[in-house]
Amino acid sequence: ILNVEQSPQSLHVQEGDSTNFTCSFPSSNFYALHWYRWETAKSPEALFVMTLNGDEKKKGRISATLNTKEGYSYLYIKGSQPEDSATYLCAFTYDYKLSFGAGTTVTVRA
Amino acid sequence: DTGVSQDPRHKITKRGQNVTFRCDPISEHNRLYWYRQTLGQGPEFLTYFQNEAQLEKSRLLSDRFSAERPKGSFSTLEIQRTEQGDSAMYLCASSLVTHYAYGYTFGSGTRLTVV
Repeated sequence: ILNVEQSPQSLHVQEGDSTNFTCSFPSSNFYALHWYRWETAKSPEALFVMTLNGDEKKKGRISATLNTKEGYSYLYIKGSQPEDSATYLCAFTYDYKLSFGAGTTVTVRA
Repeated sequence: DTGVSQDPRHKITKRGQNVTFRCDPISEHNRLYWYRQTLGQGPEFLTYFQNEAQLEKSRLLSDRFSAERPKGSFSTLEIQRTEQGDSAMYLCASSLVTHYAYGYTFGSGTRLTVV
């Protein structure tokens, strides 16, 4: 079992503010790092798959960076909106399976 | 194709009863995964199939759990003699494995409550 940690566990953001949170993963035998957004009563939605050290991905107001040498990834949300409220999961690929962190639950207050 | 579908969405069962969940993956995907999520935790790997072959089972999967994927299409996960500790969200995912960085598409899960 590979230890993937996310922090903080939860955060509250005022609408319009920007925020970021962290995913830490084993730096050895790295294959890929995935970010998912999971809204209540819906399926986890794939945001990014990142494979290269220094990778930066962007989707609308959400972006992510990857540091495989030190084993961390940041997810950024710029100008948070209420629809950004969700649990954000990161997952580390090993042996074609995913090892997930516990998630960061983001609540955007209007 | 509308994605990965799971049935039922919710299941409440009495302790000791058997339950079966179904997952219909994206048709062209060759791998199918089952994960389980309990409160406050991330999804944990249970088992996966490549086509109809079950390639790996987690040690989390006790003998009461069995999964099948006949003909490499849909999959079922059965839990026999359910226990309260089996209460969780059961997620199914599928992928087309050509590269380790390929994405996984998840269903919306089956929430099991054992009373």
